Amino acid sequence: DAKTTQPPSMDCAEGRAANLPCNHSTISGNEYVYWYRQIHSQGPQYIIHGLKNNETNEMASLIITEDRKSSTLILPHATLRDTAVYYCIVRGGATNKLIFGTGTLLAVQP
Amino acid sequence: DTGVSQNPRHKITKRGQNVTFRCDPISEHNRLYWYRQTLGQGPEFLTYFQNEAQLEKSRLLSDRFSAERPKGSFSTLEIQRTEQGDSAMYLCASSLEVAVASLDWNTEAFFGQGTRLTVV
Repeated sequence: DAKTTQPPSMDCAEGRAANLPCNHSTISGNEYVYWYRQIHSQGPQYIIHGLKNNETNEMASLIITEDRKSSTLILPHATLRDTAVYYCIVRGGATNKLIFGTGTLLAVQP
Repeated sequence: DTGVSQNPRHKITKRGQNVTFRCDPISEHNRLYWYRQTLGQGPEFLTYFQNEAQLEKSRLLSDRFSAERPKGSFSTLEIQRTEQGDSAMYLCASSLEVAVASLDWNTEAFFGQGTRLTVV
């Protein structure tokens, strides 16, 4: 079972920051937080991941709380092409496999 | 290298027929995963390989399903005697797994575009 909880849907205005929350209260010390997104009919696309420190790349920023029980993915300037389902995943352990939940459908509005 | 490649992209088959899908991972990626995704759901883990060894199979992988990765490179997923319930998107992902002492390093898994199976 997925170890994360996300809101089923969110709206964001084009050009504004999109802040997607995720709860992972049972995360273990050696597990990472990963974010993927999936645009309709395509394979999931990697966005970013982190262990305990905040991370930033060309796509997004990841803010992880100090207790690591929750995180927020930030898309700084959302565009219409960012409309997708965003998955927050806790990954680690021997298999290091990704266990997906149902994600958050982000709808960027013009 | 252009990423994870899956073939075919679409497959329509009659119930009871056998189908086989192929996944070519990113070169030198030693880990390969198969997932299945139905409409409105997130991808569900099916199985994974470390090089040529199949190390875990989900209970979702019935006896009609078999996966191979004979040389530790490409992988095939075969479904025998297909049923309408097998209709789904089948996704493949690969990653480079390296044992490291530090916890501060982990790699991403890259997905292919999937094979959409329709059983009629």
